[in-house]
Amino acid sequence: DTAVSQTPKYLVTQMGNDKSIKCEQNLGHDTMYWYKQDSKKFLKIMFSYNNKELIINETVPNRFSPKSPDKAHLNLHINSLELGDSAVYFCASSLKSGTPYEQYFGPGTRLTVT
Amino acid sequence: RKEVEQDPGPFNVPEGATVAFNCTYSNSASQSFFWYRQDCRKEPKLLMSVYSSGNEDGRFTAQLNRASQYISLLIRDSKLSDSATYLCVVEKSSGDKLTFGTGTRLAVRP
Repeated sequence: DTAVSQTPKYLVTQMGNDKSIKCEQNLGHDTMYWYKQDSKKFLKIMFSYNNKELIINETVPNRFSPKSPDKAHLNLHINSLELGDSAVYFCASSLKSGTPYEQYFGPGTRLTVT
Repeated sequence: RKEVEQDPGPFNVPEGATVAFNCTYSNSASQSFFWYRQDCRKEPKLLMSVYSSGNEDGRFTAQLNRASQYISLLIRDSKLSDSATYLCVVEKSSGDKLTFGTGTRLAVRP
């Protein structure tokens, strides 16, 4: 009965490869997010989708492309992986965007680029 | 200046101690404030929202000072299970992104 799930949990890959991370929420929420937490533990939003529509797109290289096939899923595809992409990527969801809606985070995907 | 600043710690305190964390934010137009908790190698979870009048949830008290643009979290009677990183979070306006501080690490020792 996991609320927000992500796969894979760990991902080790070489520079230049393309990889995808999948996220699913079974909470019936309208809004989903991708965050990146770097080695200094700084958690920064990358994208936000509301009912499959992109509403927040931070300054992220266009090698990162989110896709939301339906409001329960938000996937993240990364092209031409670089060393600096190594981080923990968290998916989150909330009932709607904004307050007072709590964001629920998935367990994270630890990406290591070698 | 960072949008949200916190002392990274760590704060090492004995069980039963009272500990306080402060957080400052740069955007005076910010409207909503939260404390999230993140355990080691886990995802962040909402601890509590911070209201203008201050609010309490058991051993945890959150305060907001808009004039000075800082938020505080007070933990009374610390438990070993309180050991975690506490993230200060600010939202400029409803529907806007959440901006996270880098967190303050708390270690409670027996």
